[in-house]
Amino acid sequence: DAGVIQSPRHEVTEMGQEVTLRCKPISGHNSLFWYRQTMMRGLELLIYFNNNVPIDDSGMPEDRFSAKMPNASFSTLKIQPSEPRDSAVYFCASSLGAGNTEAFFGQGTRLTVV
Amino acid sequence: GENVEQHPSTLSVQEGDSAVIKCTYSDSASNYFPWYKQELGKGPQLIIDIRSNVGEKKDQRIAVTLNKTAKHFSLHITETQPEDSAVYFCAASRGAGGGNKLTFGTGTQLKVEL
Repeated sequence: DAGVIQSPRHEVTEMGQEVTLRCKPISGHNSLFWYRQTMMRGLELLIYFNNNVPIDDSGMPEDRFSAKMPNASFSTLKIQPSEPRDSAVYFCASSLGAGNTEAFFGQGTRLTVV
Repeated sequence: GENVEQHPSTLSVQEGDSAVIKCTYSDSASNYFPWYKQELGKGPQLIIDIRSNVGEKKDQRIAVTLNKTAKHFSLHITETQPEDSAVYFCAASRGAGGGNKLTFGTGTQLKVEL
């Protein structure tokens, strides 16, 4: 398996623009997580899905952020409108979801909002 | 919610020496404690994990200890090598009961010097 695949790897956008980050989890994994990593706040969980259903979105910073998982092989994280403080590395991770199982991380998307 | 504290934030050791990173957690219901290694430009990768029914686990040069009473766990790396240089994160999870979501520590930048 190619692992968790995220796209794009890098994104530079202007403030106010819409940004969409994409993730393809490992085939057969039932849980999907979106994390944000910054120097100030470290790794923060934004939202996670079990069997394509959002379970906990309490980490989503505000209404400008939204996430979807239309099927088991694809998820998106959208920021609209984007702001400079959204600049960070966004990671997607997936796991089997049954009990305590390893979370596999993608390579991340480095987002810069200017 | 869970709060995970990690120390030290930076650690510099000579090649061949041992390195120890310590974490504490707050949620007594947490029962899964993984450690991740993150190299520059990459996503975190699991290196070892421990569950609450054991006190110690070892995998070659890496070992993890868990003290549930005191709510702390530690990573031990022996005979360090330059390729061990990276950022290490501890994490805690309630497992299936908490949706498998991980709460991460703030990370330790380990530098192994020749």
